[in-house]
Amino acid sequence: KNEVEQSPQNLTAQEGEFITINCSYSVGISALHWLQQHPGGGIVSLFMLSSGKKKHGRLIATINIQEKHSSLHITASHPRDSAVYICAVTFDGLTFGKGTHLIIQP
Amino acid sequence: EAGVVQSPRYKIIEKKQPVAFWCNPISGHNTLYWYLQNLGQGPELLIRYENEEAVDDSQLPKDRFSAERLKGVDSTLKIQPAELGDSAVYLCASSPYSGYEQFFGPGTRLTVL
Repeated sequence: KNEVEQSPQNLTAQEGEFITINCSYSVGISALHWLQQHPGGGIVSLFMLSSGKKKHGRLIATINIQEKHSSLHITASHPRDSAVYICAVTFDGLTFGKGTHLIIQP
Repeated sequence: EAGVVQSPRYKIIEKKQPVAFWCNPISGHNTLYWYLQNLGQGPELLIRYENEEAVDDSQLPKDRFSAERLKGVDSTLKIQPAELGDSAVYLCASSPYSGYEQFFGPGTRLTVL
């Protein structure tokens, strides 16, 4: 079974700060997903990546397959980025981390 | 294109009552997933369908939970009887094929009193 660990569990930052959320997993995977979940809302897929780096707007996701580690970065953070960010890996199904609760204060 | 549709969005029932959730995946998506998400936790897979076949139901508590995906499109998840510990958000997701990016529905928040 793949163990997925995220850090930090909770993060509060000021608007404009650069945010980094980390994800590590224990077993080799075929893909890693970053998901966003707003309070009371459904889950939105942000990225699916198997190598390298992807960028979408102010969001950047990187993955290091050898180190079994991925990071999600948010540049110029904004209060609307406040949400739970979940890392999930594809290995004999999809295994989820517990999520990082991000709050961006104005 | 419409996303994954789930209903109801919210359900409150008393313990020992039955409850059912419905999911309509994105058109053309062969794989359908049901997840359970407890507060502050990541989703946990309950069952995965490839078309109408349940290919992974190892985490489904079969004494009280059942699911079906007739005709390989819509799916229903049922709990009978519900217990207090079943209070959670039940998420449905679909993907074109297993292992591809998943698209999630809004979820059904179940409260068992």
